Amino acid sequence: QVQLVQSGAEVRRPGASVKVSCKASGYTFTSFYIHWVRQAPGQGLEWMGLVNPYDGVTTYAQSFQGRVTMTRDTSTNTVYMDLNRLTTEDTAAYYCARRGGEYSYAFDHWGQGALVTVSS
Amino acid sequence: QPALTQPASVSGSPGQSVTISCTGTNIDVGNFDLVSWYQHHPGKAPKLIVYEATKRPSGVSDRFSGSTSGSTASLTISGLQADDEAHYSCCSYAGITSPKWVFGGGTMLTVL
Repeated sequence: QVQLVQSGAEVRRPGASVKVSCKASGYTFTSFYIHWVRQAPGQGLEWMGLVNPYDGVTTYAQSFQGRVTMTRDTSTNTVYMDLNRLTTEDTAAYYCARRGGEYSYAFDHWGQGALVTVSS
Repeated sequence: QPALTQPASVSGSPGQSVTISCTGTNIDVGNFDLVSWYQHHPGKAPKLIVYEATKRPSGVSDRFSGSTSGSTASLTISGLQADDEAHYSCCSYAGITSPKWVFGGGTMLTVL
């Protein structure tokens, strides 16, 4: 079955960076895009960007441009999201989500989320 | 501020129907029939329940239905059950010059 398994919770100081991983299994890794979505406490979901595991091409939301990097490793079927210059506003649950196939523009499988806490 | 506007909360009694609205603009909901809805229980991953505005993924109950009118999408849940109590979020494709997705702020459904 399709699974997206994310790395665990992280605590960072303001100004630091964090790297969250998302390991895919149960499907052909290069056939589906992986997106990153976050949810801050008490807030709605926020789209951060996507990576195409086939060729590594990325698109980032404007609000994260210059601060986020999404990469993939086809040898381990893993996608990474690196966010730098963290502030307390980046405290959130970070989700990876799969898109493509018959559900086209929707996210049909999600990781379990990785809580990132930014605190001094 | 979320790009799509949803009511913060709705409620209904078991067996009743509720409708959650999702209002966007003519560059997202009004421009593409690419609205999706997600059910989100606390501590769990979001679950896709409607895609392309009106379609249901396999395995999703037909008590969930989606519709659109202009720049507003709606999710209707009929025959409310206790397990329906969750957050519901809408999402729309909004890519004009480059790929982009936008979400609503989410709606908490309480089953009374």
